[in-house]
Amino acid sequence: DIQMTQSPSSLSAFVGDRVTITCRTSQSISTYLHWYQQKPGKAPKLLIFAASSLQSGVPSRFSGSGSGTDFTLTITSLQPEDFGTYYCQQTESTPTFGPGTKVDLK
Amino acid sequence: QVQLVQSGTEVEKPGASVKVSCKASGYTFTRYVISWVRQAPGQAFEWMGWINPYNGNTNYAQKFQGRVTMSTDTSTSAAYMELRSLRSDDTAFYYCARGRVSYTTSSGWAYWGQGTLVTVSS
Repeated sequence: DIQMTQSPSSLSAFVGDRVTITCRTSQSISTYLHWYQQKPGKAPKLLIFAASSLQSGVPSRFSGSGSGTDFTLTITSLQPEDFGTYYCQQTESTPTFGPGTKVDLK
Repeated sequence: QVQLVQSGTEVEKPGASVKVSCKASGYTFTRYVISWVRQAPGQAFEWMGWINPYNGNTNYAQKFQGRVTMSTDTSTSAAYMELRSLRSDDTAFYYCARGRVSYTTSSGWAYWGQGTLVTVSS
């Protein structure tokens, strides 16, 4: 299976801050990389698919980039509703998920 | 609108089996693969497998081979995941999910069920 890492594992930021989360894979996956947000007690919500495409209905402050083994999720201006845990997922082969990045508001 | 509605909380004893349902609505059921993942409390996600409702083809994660069975009922647009020989470390939320794009498993999963908590305890 393709292994995935995320950094940081957690972060605290102010409303309005720019936040960047990194995901790395153990082998190249082209752009078969997707980002999800999960809030406590809820199912995940797809934010970005195919590394850089914004899912319908997701605010434009979310963006993704990368290909191969290194990927980034950026929130340009953090909002109070953006708290939660963010996961990357690869679907180039048997799906695997990153361990998550917990985002808290300062 | 697309919805995936799962069955309710289950409490089982070690060694028992559990069958979780996922009822789909708002789209043509046979056009989209259904994936199953689980999330133990405080943990990340673990893919269990998927099923293609169009032809019934399945692909199970090696970890669950021999212990899981996924099935569908196209007459009711429902998918099922049965896990046998339950152990305490099977305690988790179990989710069904549907991809963005029909007939593919690689497009990102845009729709999820609400999750079903399965607790395994003696």
